[in-house]
Amino acid sequence: NAGVMQNPRHLVRRRGQEARLRCSPMKGHSHVYWYRQLPEEGLKFMVYLQKENIIDESGMPKERFSAEFPKEGPSILRIQQVVRGDSAAYFCASSPLFGETQYFGPGTRLLVL
Amino acid sequence: RKEVEQDPGPFNVPEGATVAFNCTYSNSASQSFFWYRQDCRKEPKLLMSVYSSGNEDGRFTAQLNRASQYISLLIRDSKLSDSATYLCVVNVGGSEKLVFGKGTKLTVNP
Repeated sequence: NAGVMQNPRHLVRRRGQEARLRCSPMKGHSHVYWYRQLPEEGLKFMVYLQKENIIDESGMPKERFSAEFPKEGPSILRIQQVVRGDSAAYFCASSPLFGETQYFGPGTRLLVL
Repeated sequence: RKEVEQDPGPFNVPEGATVAFNCTYSNSASQSFFWYRQDCRKEPKLLMSVYSSGNEDGRFTAQLNRASQYISLLIRDSKLSDSATYLCVVNVGGSEKLVFGKGTKLTVNP
């Protein structure tokens, strides 16, 4: 049973470019969460999605960041016009039901030059 | 005040030692509590959930004190493979988001 998959594992972008991070939840999981870990910091919640719905985006920056979890395909975290401060590890987690354990993917490490 | 606070360490202990980590949380509405471990440049992995009555899993014992809003993790007979960062994690009732502490780094030396 494959775990949570994220790609790419490493992503390098120049300031002003767009970054797209993908997350495929574990089989049978319909809840997806995105977290960001800045260097030397703890993980911070960004957004919680179910299929075709954003349930809680209280941790998302107001501008440039968006997330989706379409009916088919992976969840996407999109960062437009990246800045150096966006450099971080972005982790996706999934769970089968509300209130169940969240399992984390290996993360995408974004470096903005 | 931070939502979840941990002693950042680092803790350096010899193999076989007993080590304890402490954590406090600020939101009294918190309902679920966990310890995760994170190896260098890896994803967090659930170590154990923490229950009000306290719980044990092999060499690991977790305790929760709701009145003091305090969580602890005890590792007995530490192994080299226990070297990692230990994350105290809290979930506030009615919300799915996990709130992470910054973590406590443990190095077990031979």
